[in-house]
Amino acid sequence: DARVTQTPRHKVTEMGQEVTMRCQPILGHNTVFWYRQTMMQGLELLAYFRNRAPLDDSGMPKDRFSAEMPDATLATLKIQPSEPRDSAVYFCASGLDRPGGEAFFGQGTRLTVV
Amino acid sequence: KQEVTQIPAALSVPEGENLVLNCSFTDSAIYNLQWFRQDPGKGLTSLLLIQSSQREQTSGRLNASLDKSSGRSTLYIAASQPGDSATYLCAVRPGRDDKIIFGKGTRLHILP
Repeated sequence: DARVTQTPRHKVTEMGQEVTMRCQPILGHNTVFWYRQTMMQGLELLAYFRNRAPLDDSGMPKDRFSAEMPDATLATLKIQPSEPRDSAVYFCASGLDRPGGEAFFGQGTRLTVV
Repeated sequence: KQEVTQIPAALSVPEGENLVLNCSFTDSAIYNLQWFRQDPGKGLTSLLLIQSSQREQTSGRLNASLDKSSGRSTLYIAASQPGDSATYLCAVRPGRDDKIIFGKGTRLHILP
């Protein structure tokens, strides 16, 4: 059963702490997206990778956020230092680089920064 | 700049009715369009994807259409059931190198 796996599913942390979220894309997929979902803004792109290379990270606050793909089976999103306004659900999605390539989403990481 | 709009934001219909959810986008040049379902507190489940060269896709009771010239897509749900209650999101990918752009969704409630 191929699926995108995100860990942790829930994270509560204090302001100023470092947070790392992990994503395991579906095996063989070569595109990875990180999205953030809030009630006010809906789904916003943070970063987009193809073949592990970043294509678009214009939506990501560069001073505190960083996204990487150490290898094809792992994508990470790091926030340092975290702030209360970072509280949201963070989704990872993967897909194949082709017109018919659907994007498949993970279950998300619900982050609460207190 | 591509923008995706879904109207209405919320919809309640009695069980058994056929219904249509609407999605509009501002730029007709798209790579593909995808419809997702999201249950409360859950991730997004892909329902249907329509490539730029296609006009519609069907899966079970769901049918999605695409009219690029008018910048519209519809998701048709036949014989609605309470289990169809969820938020439905329309998402457009402008180009191969572009991000997926989401609408704000339509929150659907099927009344038993």
